Amino acid sequence: NAGVTQTPKFQVLKTGQSMTLQCAQDMNHEYMSWYRQDPGMGLRLIHYSVGAGITDQGEVPNGYNVSRSTTEDFPLRLLSAAPSQTSVYFCASSFTGTGTSGNTIYFGEGSWLTVV
Amino acid sequence: RKEVEQDPGPFNVPEGATVAFNCTYSNSASQSFFWYRQDCRKEPKLLMSVYSSGNEDGRFTAQLNRASQYISLLIRDSKLSDSATYLCVVKASGGSQGNLIFGKGTKLSVKP
Repeated sequence: NAGVTQTPKFQVLKTGQSMTLQCAQDMNHEYMSWYRQDPGMGLRLIHYSVGAGITDQGEVPNGYNVSRSTTEDFPLRLLSAAPSQTSVYFCASSFTGTGTSGNTIYFGEGSWLTVV
Repeated sequence: RKEVEQDPGPFNVPEGATVAFNCTYSNSASQSFFWYRQDCRKEPKLLMSVYSSGNEDGRFTAQLNRASQYISLLIRDSKLSDSATYLCVVKASGGSQGNLIFGKGTKLSVKP
């Protein structure tokens, strides 16, 4: 079972470069999201999507763009990388609704990004 | 007051010990509560949901106190494999992931 797949796992960028973190899920989940995790900060929501064609901002959206053209894919774009974006990024997905099945969030394995 | 607060630990306990983690949340409208487990350099994974009546899954027991806005996780007979960071997660009303708030986590280290 593939679940939630993120690529790349590791990336080093120079300040000002742009890049895209890829995320794909094969569970037909409607909800997808991107989090960043920094030491002492916990997981913080960057952007999320409740379905294809619909995206919304989370807690820390600045410097990032997302799009959701298909149910399966939810790429995260860094427009002009800054050292403050050095972090671990997790993509996540879940079913809709408020029942137990909708509340289980599945995370990708993470992408370690360093901006120098 | 932060939205979801946890004692960061680390909690260092011997094998076989019982250990309890606490979590407080500030939004009284929160409706769903969870504990996630995160191993070092890995993704978070759902450990258990927390129900109003309290619930148990093997050696793990979760409790919710809505009046005090408090959630707990009890681990009995700790195993070495329980070493991880435990994340308290709270969701306000609605089904969107946008309403999920993660605590910073409590680190547990179980020693032989």
